[in-house]
Amino acid sequence: DVKVTQSSRYLVKRTGEKVFLECVQDMDHENMFWYRQDPGLGLRLIYFSYDVKMKEKGDIPEGYSVSREKKERFSLILESASTNQTSMYLCASSLSGQNYEQYFGPGTRLTVT
Amino acid sequence: GNSVTQMEGPVTLSEEAFLTINCTYTATGYPSLFWYVQYPGEGLQLLLKATKADDKGSNKGFEATYRKETTSFHLEKGSVQVSDSAVYFCALRENTGNQFYFGTGTSLTVIP
Repeated sequence: DVKVTQSSRYLVKRTGEKVFLECVQDMDHENMFWYRQDPGLGLRLIYFSYDVKMKEKGDIPEGYSVSREKKERFSLILESASTNQTSMYLCASSLSGQNYEQYFGPGTRLTVT
Repeated sequence: GNSVTQMEGPVTLSEEAFLTINCTYTATGYPSLFWYVQYPGEGLQLLLKATKADDKGSNKGFEATYRKETTSFHLEKGSVQVSDSAVYFCALRENTGNQFYFGTGTSLTVIP
């Protein structure tokens, strides 16, 4: 079974801190994604990556950056956390090709105080 | 552009009731369509999918048919259980790239 793991289930950080969210997948997927999920807004794409060292901005990249140095790992970085970045963060991965679904991690609930 | 619209929730049903959650899409090509389910405190997991027109996806008693003529992919289940209480997301994957597009989710609560 495909497994997508995220480094933390719950995280509490202070305003201005640099925050790293890590995601690892074990099925050699080319594509990896970071979303944030907020009530009433569904899933919003922050960044995705279709290959090592490649990245594309999603719908809401402001305030975030990403890193993909290895195929299995995709990191989301909040350079200077703010309270409006309090949210559930979901990582996903998929194979390339239209017919393939995404596999999601369990999510990280980040609270910025 | 690509987008997915699904019915607003929350939806509350009694056990053994019939479920329909509507989903319509806009796409520039011929996308693949998916339903995901999210149980409380968890990530999303694939419920079913359909990759071309008239395909029917099914799993755990749920089913949805890819209707190109009405650009729809409605989720149905004949008899819901309390354990089906979750948030359901309709999604599409464009045929020209790697992005997925999600609806805003529909919360379902099934009461005994």
